[in-house]
Amino acid sequence: ETGVTQTPRHLVMGMTNKKSLKCEQHLGHNAMYWYKQSAKKPLELMFVYSLEERVENNSVPSRFSPECPNSSHLFLHLHTLQPEDSALYLCASSQDIGLSEAFFGQGTRLTVV
Amino acid sequence: KQEVTQIPAALSVPEGENLVLNCSFTDSAIYNLQWFRQDPGKGLTSLLLIQSSQREQTSGRLNASLDKSSGRSTLYIAASQPGDSATYLCAGASGGSYIPTFGRGTSLIVHP
Repeated sequence: ETGVTQTPRHLVMGMTNKKSLKCEQHLGHNAMYWYKQSAKKPLELMFVYSLEERVENNSVPSRFSPECPNSSHLFLHLHTLQPEDSALYLCASSQDIGLSEAFFGQGTRLTVV
Repeated sequence: KQEVTQIPAALSVPEGENLVLNCSFTDSAIYNLQWFRQDPGKGLTSLLLIQSSQREQTSGRLNASLDKSSGRSTLYIAASQPGDSATYLCAGASGGSYIPTFGRGTSLIVHP
């Protein structure tokens, strides 16, 4: 248990659906991250929030929309996804961006059909 | 832009062996380097974090070193066990954004 909780753990959605991934941490961290992990690829950083402000957006398609309502919660809203978006989506948090230890959730396995 | 490479991509060893996993990075102005373990279909578990001012960190049977001048970090696992079987990833934070860049990982199998 790392202190970072992601829900749901598994999600199957159609290309016309709208769904949201949730990440929660009560470690008192100021930075939260979304990563995408596809088979045989390195982890791809998607979004970074620091003190609820988005500080990084790595050319992610607009069908992925992040939301950080407070420092403990991070959402990833999904709509009109493509089959190639199927992957493991990982949330992480750290005390501050980059300079401190990062803790990851267990991930959400997303399958787009 | 920081690039991180891990060699080998896969490793299979008998139980009890001491082994070394390698991680190389291109930007020597690295702030820190972190090693993670990932079990299949799961999230990442932090193993060790080495700050740029440090040369190594130890936790149990694990020892990680950092050599900024050569752009290398190694993870040493002593007396390997089947439970050590997993993918090991390294990530280096550098540049103005401080965001960690990940390698592709080394998939380790320790067989009894």
